[in-house]
Amino acid sequence: EPEVTQTPSHQVTQMGQEVILRCVPISNHLYFYWYRQILGQKVEFLVSFYNNEISEKSEIFDDQFSVERPDGSNFTLKIRSTKLEDSAMYFCASGRMNTEAFFGQGTRLTVV
Amino acid sequence: AQSVAQPEDQVNVAEGNPLTVKCTYSVSGNPYLFWYVQYPNRGLQFLLKYITGDNLVKGSYGFEAEFNKSQTSFHLKKPSALVSDSALYFCAVREALSGGYNKLIFGAGTRLAVHP
Repeated sequence: EPEVTQTPSHQVTQMGQEVILRCVPISNHLYFYWYRQILGQKVEFLVSFYNNEISEKSEIFDDQFSVERPDGSNFTLKIRSTKLEDSAMYFCASGRMNTEAFFGQGTRLTVV
Repeated sequence: AQSVAQPEDQVNVAEGNPLTVKCTYSVSGNPYLFWYVQYPNRGLQFLLKYITGDNLVKGSYGFEAEFNKSQTSFHLKKPSALVSDSALYFCAVREALSGGYNKLIFGAGTRLAVHP
């Protein structure tokens, strides 16, 4: 069964450093998403991406964040200058139009 | 604004008994409703969805959910709980007319504990 895969599973970074979280969505999906879950809190929408552009982003997704689909298979989330409060589990998801989103296993980002 | 409420932080049930995990929602138009499950150190796994049609939807692992428009609820149910059902359950909603993509609003989650 196809699945969304994310790498790495755990990333530790120093405050102020740039991180790139990587995702390989399911191959025939056209809609891509990033969500995050701060420990003990709700899963929060960050951004949706369709047709090589952002379709919607939340207020969390400020100028420090960017997304890219560099090669037709990968979907990346970049955080330019990490802050302590960026520590969270980041989930990538993909889907087709008006169907459920399929989530990856997540990348746990720890900013120290 | 869209919102989802899961009023119970935790639900405890004995194995073999029926279980219900509650969810109520608020959207401005017709809702798309979803249940996801999260096992420890794992991602979110899709269980079932309501888009339109029959108010009772069946999903994975014997789970089902009933859409009630008048009560704006979408409670998750299972006739006979298993210990392996113990996990964190999330209800999520999006507006039907949100452009085809899934900007999901999640509830806070309900931890289901099934005791032998």
